Amino acid sequence: GAVVSQHPSRVICKSGTSVKIECRSLDFQATTMFWYRQFPKQSLMLMATSNEGSKATYEQGVEKDKFLINHASLTLSTLTVTSAHPEDSSFYICSARVGGGNSPLHFGNGTRLTVT
Amino acid sequence: DQQVKQNSPSLSVQEGRISILNCDYTNSMFDYFLWYKKYPAEGPTFLISISSIKDKNEDGRFTVFLNKSAKHLSLHIVPSQPGDSAVYFCAAPLYGGSQGNLIFGKGTKLSVKP
Repeated sequence: GAVVSQHPSRVICKSGTSVKIECRSLDFQATTMFWYRQFPKQSLMLMATSNEGSKATYEQGVEKDKFLINHASLTLSTLTVTSAHPEDSSFYICSARVGGGNSPLHFGNGTRLTVT
Repeated sequence: DQQVKQNSPSLSVQEGRISILNCDYTNSMFDYFLWYKKYPAEGPTFLISISSIKDKNEDGRFTVFLNKSAKHLSLHIVPSQPGDSAVYFCAAPLYGGSQGNLIFGKGTKLSVKP
């Protein structure tokens, strides 16, 4: 079945550094991937839509210069949290859809980012 | 304002009994709903969905009911098993099924006790 792989699963970094998170579709091509974020006791919230070969589209309130998204191939999207701050500490999770229409999203296992 | 609400943060059920997880929504434009299940340290996995043209969809032990007039849906698990213990999220696509902007509820943590 379709698998979305996300790496790393957990990262701790110091304030001011940048962190890159990778999201791969393992057995299918994903022209579009979606990046979500979940703060403690909150629901998953869409941050941005990653489009292969074009610019990502960001949801309202998400800083595109802080959360850099690169979708260089049909199987890889990366999210880079630049100049991370403690308030960026969260659970980041990517997803992709196999097929169109109402086919469900497949999620990676997420990345727990802790900024100290 | 939350468009998808799961008002019960947790639910505890005895093995073999029925688990009923509830979800309410406010956006009358929603026409498709999904339930995801999430274990700790893993991403959500798709469980079952329902289109607004139906009021029930069944898949094995899992049944989702939709009451459009009440803007309410529920997930029934029967019989419940300890392996069903997880967090269950109700979700709806904001712009229709072809988009990735799923609006999620905050989830309900189900504990099935042996």
